[in-house]
Amino acid sequence: GAVVSQHPSWVICKSGTSVKIECRSLDFQATTMFWYRQFPKKSLMLMATSNEGSKATYEQGVEKDKFLINHASLTLSTLTVTSAHPEDSSFYICSAIDSVADTQYFGPGTRLTVL
Amino acid sequence: KQEVTQIPAALSVPEGENLVLNCSFTDSAIYNLQWFRQDPGKGLTSLLLIQSSQREQTSGRLNASLDKSSGRSTLYIAASQPGDSATYLCAVPSGGYQKVTFGTGTKLQVIP
Repeated sequence: GAVVSQHPSWVICKSGTSVKIECRSLDFQATTMFWYRQFPKKSLMLMATSNEGSKATYEQGVEKDKFLINHASLTLSTLTVTSAHPEDSSFYICSAIDSVADTQYFGPGTRLTVL
Repeated sequence: KQEVTQIPAALSVPEGENLVLNCSFTDSAIYNLQWFRQDPGKGLTSLLLIQSSQREQTSGRLNASLDKSSGRSTLYIAASQPGDSATYLCAVPSGGYQKVTFGTGTKLQVIP
């Protein structure tokens, strides 16, 4: 079946640094990808919609300058957490839309810990 | 705005019991509903996807039903096993068929 990968699977960084998380669709093209974050013991919250070749659409309350999204190709979207702070520590999950199969596939997630 | 609620928030049952997890949503104009499983610290595993035209889907010991008119879905797990212990999430499209709103989750523990 279709697979979505994320890299890295986990990352620990110092406060003030930037971290890039990649989301790849491995055997299909995805013009649309989504980024979610999950706080401990909470459900997933949509952060933004990543559109290939155009600017991302952010959900209300999500800082676009804090969470930079780049969808430069049909198989790759990146989320960069800029000037990370401990409160950015979370589990980040992406998903990709296979428009041919009309199905959304989720990545395995990336755990970010900011010290 | 779509809101998705799951009851109960946590459930503990002895091995072998049949159980039902509930999911309710406020906007019944949905394209589909999906049930996921999430193990601690892990990503999502898709369990069942029910299209809006369907009333139920089955996969092994799992059966999911959908009642759009009442805004409800149930996930039935037969003969529960310790390996079923996980958090179960339901999700429905929101604001466009591709954007998804997740439920609050039910944390299931099956005791051997």
